Amino acid sequence: QMQLEQSGAEVKKPGASVKLSCKASGFVFSDYWMHWVRQAPGQGLEWMGVINPSGSNSVYSQTFQGRVTMTRDTSTSTLYMEVSNLRSDDTAVYYCARDNSLKIVTTSTWWFDPWGQGTLVTVSS
Amino acid sequence: SSELTQDPAVSVALGQTVRITCQGDSLRTYYASWYQQRPGQAPVVVIYGKNKRPSGIPDRFSGSGSGDTTSLTITGTQAEDEADYYCSSRDSSSDRWVFGGGTKLTVL
Repeated sequence: QMQLEQSGAEVKKPGASVKLSCKASGFVFSDYWMHWVRQAPGQGLEWMGVINPSGSNSVYSQTFQGRVTMTRDTSTSTLYMEVSNLRSDDTAVYYCARDNSLKIVTTSTWWFDPWGQGTLVTVSS
Repeated sequence: SSELTQDPAVSVALGQTVRITCQGDSLRTYYASWYQQRPGQAPVVVIYGKNKRPSGIPDRFSGSGSGDTTSLTITGTQAEDEADYYCSSRDSSSDRWVFGGGTKLTVL
C-alpha cells in the first residue's frame, strides 16, 4: 500500500540545520507533488511548502521562505527537507504528505494522502 | 494571506450528530479537505472535494459547503471519533496551502 516512511527524531542546537527524509513506497513517486507540514507541541498543522514531481520547482510558505529547502531523489523515491538557522520555536513534528488533486466540474480540490508518521525535531541549547 | 477559521472546540453526545465548520475566502474558489488527527498520530483525510470519502472512512462522515463556509458532519458520532479535526484548502490569493486552526471534538 501507499506509504511514506520518515527519518528518526533529531535534537539540534539553535542556529544549526537539520535535513529530514521521507521515503515513498507503493506508488509512482515521480508522478506526485509532495508537501511538508509541521505541528508544534499542542498546536495545529502548519503548511510549509511543496515540491513538484521533477524537483525543479518548490513553493514555500512565506513563514519559511529562505530557511527551508525541499529536494527529492526520484531514483530512491525519497523526499528531503532542510531547515536552516533553527530556533527553539522550530521544535515540532514534521510530516511529509503526498499531494492529490481533482477538478470537479469547474472547482478544484487538493488533499494530503498518505502522510508520513512524522519526525520530531527538538531545538534546544 | 487567506485564513481558514474553525471553532476551537465542539462537543457531542455519543450517537448524536455534530457539525464542524470552517470559514475562509478561499472556500469560495476551492473545495476544502478535512483531516482527523488522534493524539500521537499523523492526520488522516476523511473528506475531500464537495463530499468525497476515501476508502475506509465510515459513511457517517460527510461534507457540505456554501459560499465561504464548509462543514464536516458526523452522523451517529462514535467514541473513536473523538479527535482534532482540521480543514485545509489552497489559498486563492497566494496559491499556497493553508490549514484551519483545528477543532477539538469531545464525545460525551
